[in-house]
Parts: sequence; structure tokens; C-alpha cells
Amino acid sequence: EAGVAQSPRYKIIEKRQSVAFWCNPISGHATLYWYQQILGQGPKLLIQFQNNGVVDDSQLPKDRFSAERLKGVDSTLKIQPAKLEDSAVYLCASSLGVGSGNTQYFGPGTRLTVL
Amino acid sequence: GQQVMQIPQYQHVQEGEDFTTYCNSSTTLSNIQWYKQRPGGHPVFLIQLVKSGEVKKQKRLTFQFGEAKKNSSLHITATQTTDVGTYFCAGGTSYGKLTFGQGTILTVHP
Repeated sequence: EAGVAQSPRYKIIEKRQSVAFWCNPISGHATLYWYQQILGQGPKLLIQFQNNGVVDDSQLPKDRFSAERLKGVDSTLKIQPAKLEDSAVYLCASSLGVGSGNTQYFGPGTRLTVL
Repeated sequence: GQQVMQIPQYQHVQEGEDFTTYCNSSTTLSNIQWYKQRPGGHPVFLIQLVKSGEVKKQKRLTFQFGEAKKNSSLHITATQTTDVGTYFCAGGTSYGKLTFGQGTILTVHP
């Protein structure tokens, strides 16, 4: 079974530029999550989708971050404009359904460096 | 909002010694999950605990969920060099949202 795919694996940009990350979840997984992991910290949930609807985006900085999952399969996370403090690993995860008991499977992440 | 605290931040052990990491939540949890992240890798699911006072074992790993469902621990018996990594607890809600602790970085000296 293929895992969660993410691209690119690494990205270096200058502050005020824009950047986009792509995630393809495990086939058949209805729930998709985007996390931000700053060095030395645990992952922080940015947004959770159930199919193409948003379940939770309470920690998404909506003035600069946006995410979509238009067809309920793959997803894109965008940052515009980027700030220095956005340097982090952006992890995508997926699970079969929503709710406790559904294991989240993480992708390899995209490491973003903002200069 | 919900906060999950994890201690210690770092733990250095000699191979063969035991290791324990503790997790405390500011609120009662629906469930608690544990993940392991190897250096340069991504979090990998280890286990989920749901019931008050639950204890689960996976070979040398023992996981406990507190009676009040606000704290948890992970204990590794006789550590091996393959146990190296960061161990995260994550408090879960009924709709699947996870709040991760800061993690405990385990170093095992051969």
C-alpha cells in the first residue's frame, strides 16, 4: 500500500514570497490533515479536512495560509506571503475516517526555509 | 485551548537501561496516542489508549493512560540503540483532532 505522498521535499524561499505544498493521501482515506512542525516542537494541526469539507481550521493563520481539497482527494497548502517564522516542516497526514480510533499516517513532509 | 505537556525534554541512557516519558493534558482526553519520530523522519503511530486506567504493552514498550484520562506514560524496558528518536504523545478529541506534546528526545549510548 502506497503511503502519503508530499512534494516538494525541500523548499527555500525569501520572505514575502509565496509557496505551495502538495499532498496525496493514502487511497480511500477520507480525512486529511496539515501540520506545521517547528524544529524542536511537536506537530501543530493547521487544518483538517473530511472529504472536501473543513472540520477544523482554528489554528490556521488565515491572513497568509490557505488550503484546499477540491475533489476530496489530494490537497494543496499555500503560504502568501511567507515570513521568517514560517520556516518549519509541513506534514500531511491522512486517516480512513474522522474520530478517535482512526490512525493518522504521516507523509515525509516538506521542509521550508524562509530567508 | 487544550495543552499537552511532556517531560523530560531530553533523556540520555546507556543501552540496557530503562526509559520513561510522561504526558499531561490540561483537559480530559477522549484518547491518547503515542508516536515515534526518527531523526529526519516523520511521526509513526505506535498506539492509542482510550479507556481510563488502560495499560497496553508492545514487546519492551508499556503504555499507560491515567484514571482521570489526563495523563499518560510510555516506559521502555532495556533500551536498545534502535529505540533512538523522539517520542510524542498526542491528546485526541472525539472527532480526531490531535494536540501533540513537545516530545522527549531519547539518546541511547551503546
